[in-house]
Amino acid sequence: GAVVSQHPSWVICKSGTSVKIECRSLDFQATTMFWYRQFPKQSLMLMATSNEGSKATYEQGVEKDKFLINHASLTLSTLTVTSAHPEDSSFYICSASPGTGLFEAFFGQGTRLTVV
Amino acid sequence: DAKTTQPTSMDCAEGRAANLPCNHSTISGNEYVYWYRQIHSQGPQYIIHGLKNNETNEMASLIITEDRKSSTLILPHATLRDTAVYYCIVYSSGTYKYIFGTGTRLKVLA
Repeated sequence: GAVVSQHPSWVICKSGTSVKIECRSLDFQATTMFWYRQFPKQSLMLMATSNEGSKATYEQGVEKDKFLINHASLTLSTLTVTSAHPEDSSFYICSASPGTGLFEAFFGQGTRLTVV
Repeated sequence: DAKTTQPTSMDCAEGRAANLPCNHSTISGNEYVYWYRQIHSQGPQYIIHGLKNNETNEMASLIITEDRKSSTLILPHATLRDTAVYYCIVYSSGTYKYIFGTGTRLKVLA
């Protein structure tokens, strides 16, 4: 299957700093990318959907100014957690799809963020 | 978006078939049923999907009821490596979103 790579796999940052997470589709062009957050023992919660070259669409309750998403190319999307706080500590997962029709989504391996 | 309901957890003996049910009673005619699984601290892995016909691939079989209100994922010969959380998702090609429910935590026992 297609490969989606996230970087870094884990990161520890100080409270108040910003952290950028990259999501790359390695062998296909991703028209659409999704960002999820997952707390321990909970399901994945969709945060936002991004389409290449346009602004991301955020789910209700997700602060767009705190979670900045950029999808500047067909193989790269980034999520920046701005002014991170301990409550932002979570497992962040991206997924990518080669189209907007009936295409299965491929998921990255996730990034564990710990804010201290 | 259609919601899915799955049992919280299930156990299965190694080598036996694992049957994981999912209810999606509000599914629409153009919505597909997808199954993913997530092994601890990894990203979800695609398993199978279907619209209304039963489907089979090298990993599993998907049985969808005629009224499409429920489905069952079948792992024919479960192994210890199949221990994971299994998510049943109703996917709409209109919204392009994969909305995850609570999933079923499957534990395969030796």
